[in-house]
Amino acid sequence: GESVGLHLPTLSVQEGDNSIINCAYSNSASDYFIWYKQESGKGPQFIIDIRSNMDKRQGQRVTVLLNKTVKHLSLQIAATQPGDSAVYFCAERYTGNQFYFGTGTSLTVIP
Amino acid sequence: SQTIHQWPATLVQPVGSPLSLECTVEGTSNPNLYWYRQAAGRGLQLLFYSVGIGQISSEVPQNLSASRPQDRQFILSSKKLLLSDSGFYLCAWSVALASGNTIYFGEGSWLTVV
Repeated sequence: GESVGLHLPTLSVQEGDNSIINCAYSNSASDYFIWYKQESGKGPQFIIDIRSNMDKRQGQRVTVLLNKTVKHLSLQIAATQPGDSAVYFCAERYTGNQFYFGTGTSLTVIP
Repeated sequence: SQTIHQWPATLVQPVGSPLSLECTVEGTSNPNLYWYRQAAGRGLQLLFYSVGIGQISSEVPQNLSASRPQDRQFILSSKKLLLSDSGFYLCAWSVALASGNTIYFGEGSWLTVV
C-alpha cells in the first residue's frame, strides 16, 4: 500500500517554544489528512484535519499546513506545554473508507 | 455525542488460545468500523474495516478475523493466538460520508501472548 512517513522519529523542545512535526505522504490522490496525538497507553486523539483543497488550517494552538506539490504535511504547535508530550501521527485517506498512518513522532517537552 | 467502547483493556493469553476483543459505538448509526494494531514503537496497521453489518474487508492476511453482528458492534477474534499477535489493538469508527470523515479511536486493548 501507499506509505505515510514522518521525517523525525523524536523531537525535543523547550516549554514555551513552538514545535513543528513533519509528515510525507506518497499518494497524490489522498484527499483528506488528520493529525492525532497519542499519549502512552491510550488511543490516538484527533487534533486537527485538513482537506486537499486547503493548504492551511488553524485550531487552538495548532496549525496544519499542506503542501500538495511536494506531498508534505506539517503540524505546528504554538507555545508547547508539558502536556503536549506524546506521539503524534499523521494519517491520510485515499479511498473512501480507509485511513493509513505514519509511524509517529515522539514529542518531548522539556520544562 | 458519540462514544466508542472497547474491551477488555488488557489481557494476557497463552499461545494457541482463542481471542475475542469487542467494540461498540454509541450515538451514531451505520458507522464505518475499523480494527488497527499497533506494535510497540510502531505505527498503526489497518487490520479490518467494515462499512455495514456482515461486510468485512481484510487488509492483512493472518490468523485474525473480524465480525460485525450488529450495526454498532465490531469483534476481533482469533482461534489460535501466536506470539506475534501481541500488541495494542485499537477499534475506531467514522461517519460514512463521502465528503470526509474523521476517524475516532477507542482506548485500546493491550494483548500479550505468552
